[in-house]
Amino acid sequence: NAGVTQTPKFRVLKTGQSMTLLCAQDMNHEYMYWYRQDPGMGLRLIHYSVGEGTTAKGEVPDGYNVSRLKKQNFLLGLESAAPSQTSVYFCASSYPLETLNTEAFFGQGTRLTVV
Amino acid sequence: AQSVAQPEDQVNVAEGNPLTVKCTYSVSGNPYLFWYVQYPNRGLQFLLKYITGDNLVKGSYGFEAEFNKSQTSFHLKKPSALVSDSALYFCAVRDGTLVSNTGKLIFGQGTTLQVKP
Repeated sequence: NAGVTQTPKFRVLKTGQSMTLLCAQDMNHEYMYWYRQDPGMGLRLIHYSVGEGTTAKGEVPDGYNVSRLKKQNFLLGLESAAPSQTSVYFCASSYPLETLNTEAFFGQGTRLTVV
Repeated sequence: AQSVAQPEDQVNVAEGNPLTVKCTYSVSGNPYLFWYVQYPNRGLQFLLKYITGDNLVKGSYGFEAEFNKSQTSFHLKKPSALVSDSALYFCAVRDGTLVSNTGKLIFGQGTTLQVKP
């Protein structure tokens, strides 16, 4: 089982460039999440999705967009990268509450540097 | 609004001694609580969860956590620490009330556990 796979693993962008981070899960999970991890800040929720075709804002959504066109994929876009978006990005997925097996599974992360 | 607080940036403990990593939460409905561990340059790994039932839950690698509703806490514990337990630990909360469930999963800022030989 691949679980949650993030691509790319590393990326360096110039200020103003755009990019898309891809998250793919093979566990048939309904919920998917994008987080960023910064030193001393923990994991902060950027956007999330509770099902195919739906997305919602998290704690720090500004400067990011997302799409969930297919259940297994959750894309995170940066339209115009800024140095403040230098971070490690994690994708996660889980079953919904009703299953009780609702713990999230994480990808290995994408280390993004904006210069 | 949901929130999680981990009041200690770092916890230091000697190998063989018991350890506690603290977590308090705020959620409007029923809390679903989780602990995760992160090793350097890795993703997060699930340790244990509280959904309902017994307030003391047991998880992976000998860890356990106690849910205390009156104190809104979910502290992580282990009776005897190992050097290999040294890592970054995160507490997380979800509103478990189906009616008000938004699907959000919110994390604390993390606590670094350092176990010394």
